[in-house]
Amino acid sequence: KQEVTQIPAALSVPEGENLVLNCSFTDSAIYNLQWFRQDPGKGLTSLLLIQSSQREQTSGRLNASLDKSSGRSTLYIAASQPGDSATYLCAVVRGTYKYIFGTGTRLKVLA
Amino acid sequence: EAGVAQSPRYKIIEKRQSVAFWCNPISGHATLYWYQQILGQGPKLLIQFQNNGVVDDSQLPKDRFSAERLKGVDSTLKIQPAKLEDSAVYLCASSSLRTGHLSGNTIYFGEGSWLTVV
Repeated sequence: KQEVTQIPAALSVPEGENLVLNCSFTDSAIYNLQWFRQDPGKGLTSLLLIQSSQREQTSGRLNASLDKSSGRSTLYIAASQPGDSATYLCAVVRGTYKYIFGTGTRLKVLA
Repeated sequence: EAGVAQSPRYKIIEKRQSVAFWCNPISGHATLYWYQQILGQGPKLLIQFQNNGVVDDSQLPKDRFSAERLKGVDSTLKIQPAKLEDSAVYLCASSSLRTGHLSGNTIYFGEGSWLTVV
């Protein structure tokens, strides 16, 4: 059974810091891995999608890496801003495009 | 492009009552998902439709939960009778992926229906 874990569960940092969020999964037989952002009271918004054949994806200040063999992905946020405050969720994508989510990391960036 | 629409946004019911949530996916999206998200946890898949057929409902508590997607467009999720532990956000999502078509396309979520069972 695929299990997805995210560490840390919560993180509070001063504005401007670079930070790393971690995602680990138990079964390396995945098709894609995707990072999402969830603001309070809102649905999920896709940030980055890494296909299984890729090692990383970048979008602006965000960089996500994937190491299937070790069952790990990291989301790197450069020069964090208060607007980055949200919950970040990773999801592994299995056959039939089933998404299995982690429990999320609650990020607070202090001004 | 209009997003995934869900209603109602908020619902408070007593235990043993029933509730129904409605979802209208993005136009043309064949795949529709219902997720349950309990506070502090990640979303858990309840049911996945491909057009009007069920792809995965292995985690749907079928003794009390039911879902349908008539005509392969919008969908309804029903809970009857509700229990206290059903208090959660029910998220609907859709994608344009065909089952087994694994490309870089992504999934789009609605804002969720918040259920409180008292």
